[in-house]
Amino acid sequence: AQSVTQPDIHITVSEGASLELRCNYSYGATPYLFWYVQSPGQGLQLLLKYFSGDTLVQGIKGFEAEFKRSQSSFNLRKPSVHWSDAAEYFCAGINTGGFKTIFGAGTRLFVKA
Amino acid sequence: DAGVTQSPTHLIKTRGQQVTLRCSPKSGHDTVSWYQQALGQGPQFIFQYYEEEERQRGNFPDRFSGHQFPNYSSELNVNALLLGDSALYLCASSLNGLSYEQYFGPGTRLTVT
Repeated sequence: AQSVTQPDIHITVSEGASLELRCNYSYGATPYLFWYVQSPGQGLQLLLKYFSGDTLVQGIKGFEAEFKRSQSSFNLRKPSVHWSDAAEYFCAGINTGGFKTIFGAGTRLFVKA
Repeated sequence: DAGVTQSPTHLIKTRGQQVTLRCSPKSGHDTVSWYQQALGQGPQFIFQYYEEEERQRGNFPDRFSGHQFPNYSSELNVNALLLGDSALYLCASSLNGLSYEQYFGPGTRLTVT
């Protein structure tokens, strides 16, 4: 069955430190992949997406993600975290030509001063 | 440019009752998808509407039904509410029946008592 897994339920990072959030996918073929951010009481905002081509994709707010086919991973990174980055982050995937997006369970990011 | 809007913001219902949630897509978008996000979980795909028809349904019972209007807005109806239906219901809109770039509304928080 298709799935998206985020192994870390929550992560705490010091402000200014680097960040990496993990995401693994299981699909028959390489899906389209996304990272979303959700602040408390808010909807989801798209950070970045991967369809094909360059495996390092740049997104908004200084985020980037790297697609690694050999590891079935699509990890999100940021070189320097700001306190405003504290939120819930969701990795998601969809089959090419598909309609159903599958989300991971999310990783809650805490930022400490 | 108005984004995706949902109403109401919050709703409290009693077990066994019926509820209708509403969604207006982002201007220019013609495709609406509905998701259920239980507390501490990622969004789960309920179904998608395009050209006023349900295109795909996730693993949800028939108590969940929907409708799309000619102006592309959409309703989600849930009958015979259960306590387990308590969740944040998210609406996402996209273009041309594709789900690759979805814009999410702020959600409707449904509490069933």
